[in-house]
Amino acid sequence: DAKTTQPTSMDCAEGRAANLPCNHSTISGNEYVYWYRQIHSQGPQYIIHGLKNNETNEMASLIITEDRKSSTLILPHATLRDTAVYYCIVRVALNNAGNMLTFGGGTRLMVKP
Amino acid sequence: EPEVTQTPSHQVTQMGQEVILRCVPISNHLYFYWYRQILGQKVEFLVSFYNNEISEKSEIFDDQFSVERPDGSNFTLKIRSTKLEDSAMYFCASSSSFPYNEQFFGPGTRLTVL
Repeated sequence: DAKTTQPTSMDCAEGRAANLPCNHSTISGNEYVYWYRQIHSQGPQYIIHGLKNNETNEMASLIITEDRKSSTLILPHATLRDTAVYYCIVRVALNNAGNMLTFGGGTRLMVKP
Repeated sequence: EPEVTQTPSHQVTQMGQEVILRCVPISNHLYFYWYRQILGQKVEFLVSFYNNEISEKSEIFDDQFSVERPDGSNFTLKIRSTKLEDSAMYFCASSSSFPYNEQFFGPGTRLTVL
């Protein structure tokens, strides 16, 4: 699986958009970009995933650059409850192995009032 | 909304004792996982399980660890002889079939080995 690089920490004002970047310059053509988050020692929570097109769901939007070497997770109106560590994970989705997730250090997002 | 549940939420044990951590995955999911997170460190993959057998395991998952799906609903992680360094949060996860395989995690069991 391709490695990812994320900033260690970011701050965001409550109500503003939080834009979390991720670099994955060695991504392969069959690898997807997944985002998870972990709120203070709770179990990681799936947010969104994408291959090459931008994706949006009720939690967030995912913008993937045309060359797929980087992506941005957008929380459109961050709330205090969005304070968490956000993980960008790149891996093959179609896989006969266990589809393990490899977590890096992630980005610690602090949403401030 | 269906969710993964884990019991107990906190387990305290003496070094050398056996512990069993229990998980109830989401009912229609087919793939099951255990991860652990030592305090202040990254979430680490331990093992994945599909069709009643281990499909992948990490180097952490040595002979003292085992997993089992004893019935149609539970998924267990057994640590045979606990060590101090096994103290961690243990997360169970499950996922449905391919292709996207997003994993849904339980709240975790905090294991403290004294």
